Parts: sequence; structure tokens; C-alpha cells
Amino acid sequence: GQQLNQSPQSMFIQEGEDVSMNCTSSSIFNTWLWYKQDPGEGPVLLIALYKAGELTSNGRLTAQFGITRKDSFLNISASIPSDVGIYFCAGPNSGYALNFGKGTSLLVTP
Amino acid sequence: NAGVTQTPKFQVLKTGQSMTLQCAQDMNHNSMYWYRQDPGMGLRLIYYSASEGTTDKGEVPNGYNVSRLNKREFSLRLESAAPSQTSVYFCASSPGQLGYGYTFGSGTRLTVV
Repeated sequence: GQQLNQSPQSMFIQEGEDVSMNCTSSSIFNTWLWYKQDPGEGPVLLIALYKAGELTSNGRLTAQFGITRKDSFLNISASIPSDVGIYFCAGPNSGYALNFGKGTSLLVTP
Repeated sequence: NAGVTQTPKFQVLKTGQSMTLQCAQDMNHNSMYWYRQDPGMGLRLIYYSASEGTTDKGEVPNGYNVSRLNKREFSLRLESAAPSQTSVYFCASSPGQLGYGYTFGSGTRLTVV
């Protein structure tokens, strides 16, 4: 299936800072999804993107569907300690399942 | 609504033992999936069931079998556990249209010694 490359692998930031992460694919996607995994839990869907160029917000989170359809970006503004977790991008893999990136691990210090 | 329920939450097995991981969803979803999560490897698809009565291999199926018992339940079986199967296992379900994403269970943490 299509490979999804996420960067950075990990981030260690102070509370209040803004965060940016991205995901690139070797193939075109029609849908981009962003998930967050809290420690010890399963991933939870944050944002879904369906159209090239689309910009969607969910509270302090904003995600964009890249115009090439091969990338997507997630920004978190004014980070807080509960933002800690692993953020995954995902996209449909040949129509039967989702492919996931390896994740960006976020640590926030007060 | 419970969503996706996985049992057990934790398990320790000896090499060669067998066990079945259980998964049930109450959202009337058509499709169900099993993933494993290992450090630095992300989520890798083991098996999936696009609809009741069908199952297919994913990226890493070796050493596993699955059963879609009915629309609600999708189990994962390890016939002869190996240390390489030490991982966190997640079950997920979706309506069948991938654009809506998955709902995940809270995971089973399996250690094979």
C-alpha cells in the first residue's frame, strides 16, 4: 500500500507554543484523516479532509489537505499539557482499509 | 454506547501458547479491522473484514487467524504465540466508507515470554 511519512517523529515543546506536523504520501489521496492517541488508549479521530486545498479546524487544531493531494498538515495552536500523545495521519489504502503514518509523538511541558 | 470493546486489556503468554483476542462493536458497522502497534512502526494492519462473512489478509497476517462471528464480533487468534507477537493490538470498525474513519477500541497489551 501507499507509504505515509510523518514528520517530525517527536516534539518536545513548552505549554503555549504552537505545533506543526505533516504527512506525505507516495501516491495521491482523496481523503486525509488525523488521529490522536492518548497514552494507554486507542486513537481517536480529530479531523477529516476530503478536498485538495481544504482547511478544517477543530478547536485549537487546524488541518490542511495539500493541493498536490500527496500531503497534509496539522497545526495545534497554544498547546496545553493535555495535547500530549501520538498524532497519526491516515488515508485509504486501495479502498479497503486505512494506511497510517508512524506517528508524531508530542510532549508538552508546563 | 460502548463503541468498540476489546477483551482482555492485558495478557501475558508463554511461547507456544494460544489465545483469542475478542472484539465487539455496537454501532452496526459493516467493516472491522485488527491492527498491531509497535514502537516506531505505527499501526500495521493484520486482518480485516469488509463485511459480515468475509475476511482478508492485511500487511502482517503471518501467525494470526481471524473469525467474523457475526456483524458485531471480530476475533483474532494466535495459535502458537511467539515473542515477536508482543505488541499492542487494536480492533477498529467503520461504516464501510473509509472517508468516515474508524472507531478504535482501547487495545489489548500482549506480552509473549
